[in-house]
Amino acid sequence: GAGVSQSPRYKVAKRGQDVALRCDPISGHVSLFWYQQALGQGPEFLTYFQNEAQLDKSGLPSDRFFAERPEGSVSTLKIQRTQQEDSAVYLCASSLGKDEQFFGPGTRLTVL
Amino acid sequence: QQPVQSPQAVILREGEDAVINCSSSKALYSVHWYRQKHGEAPVFLMILLKGGEQKGHEKISASFNEKKQQSSLYLTASQLSYSGTYFCGTRANNNAGNMLTFGGGTRLMVKP
Repeated sequence: GAGVSQSPRYKVAKRGQDVALRCDPISGHVSLFWYQQALGQGPEFLTYFQNEAQLDKSGLPSDRFFAERPEGSVSTLKIQRTQQEDSAVYLCASSLGKDEQFFGPGTRLTVL
Repeated sequence: QQPVQSPQAVILREGEDAVINCSSSKALYSVHWYRQKHGEAPVFLMILLKGGEQKGHEKISASFNEKKQQSSLYLTASQLSYSGTYFCGTRANNNAGNMLTFGGGTRLMVKP
């Protein structure tokens, strides 16, 4: 596709449920990033992939968060045993290298 | 540590100019500017690289003071479509990865 796509766009989960968020980057983009954006705040870095290698996961808030990109293209962010503080918009971005990052529309996660 | 943006909010009449500032305490390699409308993905506007190189939007200009680790975004002859929240994202010199650290945002509203 022409841009970064994410699915689902909206997800409501009961506290304690597991969720999986998908990101389809722009074709050919080597780098892929996940960010978390709380209401009224700027995006905060979660993790970074270069091809299939997860080079930085320092922003993941707890071991309940896990991300993968097994074939160097599509990526999945998984959150286990969701808690209310996990409610946020999860943004995915991709880039060719060190320059501009192109963002997807995000997945709005609401944990009840 | 996230960069500091100022002002936090600004209201303009169509045709007026605005300046948005972004300041970091770290030595920066690059500054990236994005605009985000409510419920949408952040859209890339401009990247300023250490050494003076710029890439971005034709009708928007920006500066990067490497000594002060500050960047300013200049919006001239504002249009209604300029409304949204502007974020600066910074990449530090010692950042081995390519992730961005975003400021808290500047909310811009352009009125007719």
